[in-house]
Amino acid sequence: SAVISQKPSRDICQRGTSLTIQCQVDSQVTMMFWYRQQPGQSLTLIATANQGSEATYESGFVIDKFPISRPNLTFSTLTVSNMSPEDSSIYLCSVVQGAGYTFGSGTRLTVV
Amino acid sequence: AQSVTQPDIHITVSEGASLELRCNYSYGATPYLFWYVQSPGQGLQLLLKYFSGDTLVQGIKGFEAEFKRSQSSFNLRKPSVHWSDAAEYFCAVQSGANNLFFGTGTRLTVIP
Repeated sequence: SAVISQKPSRDICQRGTSLTIQCQVDSQVTMMFWYRQQPGQSLTLIATANQGSEATYESGFVIDKFPISRPNLTFSTLTVSNMSPEDSSIYLCSVVQGAGYTFGSGTRLTVV
Repeated sequence: AQSVTQPDIHITVSEGASLELRCNYSYGATPYLFWYVQSPGQGLQLLLKYFSGDTLVQGIKGFEAEFKRSQSSFNLRKPSVHWSDAAEYFCAVQSGANNLFFGTGTRLTVIP
């Protein structure tokens, strides 16, 4: 299965600033996914990122708040913009390859 | 619409005891089902998955799960729990659009 490198692993940010999270995969994948896991909650899909096209956002998530880039088949970034304390969460990227999903180790974001 | 229910928020078992974590799903078609484990501060690790065929699925770390269509369930079991199994466990169902929908998770505590 694919190996995903996600960084940063954690960050503490000031409200009103933005953070870009990177996700690097060791093989080419068509679809990459970004999830949010709020404290004590399950994972919620933010968007699906395909190379060469705009990301597809789930209900409740918008591009202005969570812009995504997918410049090639092994890399994607998620930006959390104009952060507020409510954005404090773990953000995870994921890929589907063959019959399974693989997840990055996550980025633990705290907004103060 | 697809959904996943994990009715047990928190379970405590003694080391060496058996374990069963419950998962019920709602999905119109034949589901693809997954169990993931998340250790504190870690990403998600796939324990096992069911796509078709034998309804009893073997996974890593001695876990197994049984798919019961009549009950819309996919319960996770382990005959003898180890202290290192303490973690958060998530059941997930895959929709036709390659999206994973997660349950709210069950936190497992293992006592000596």
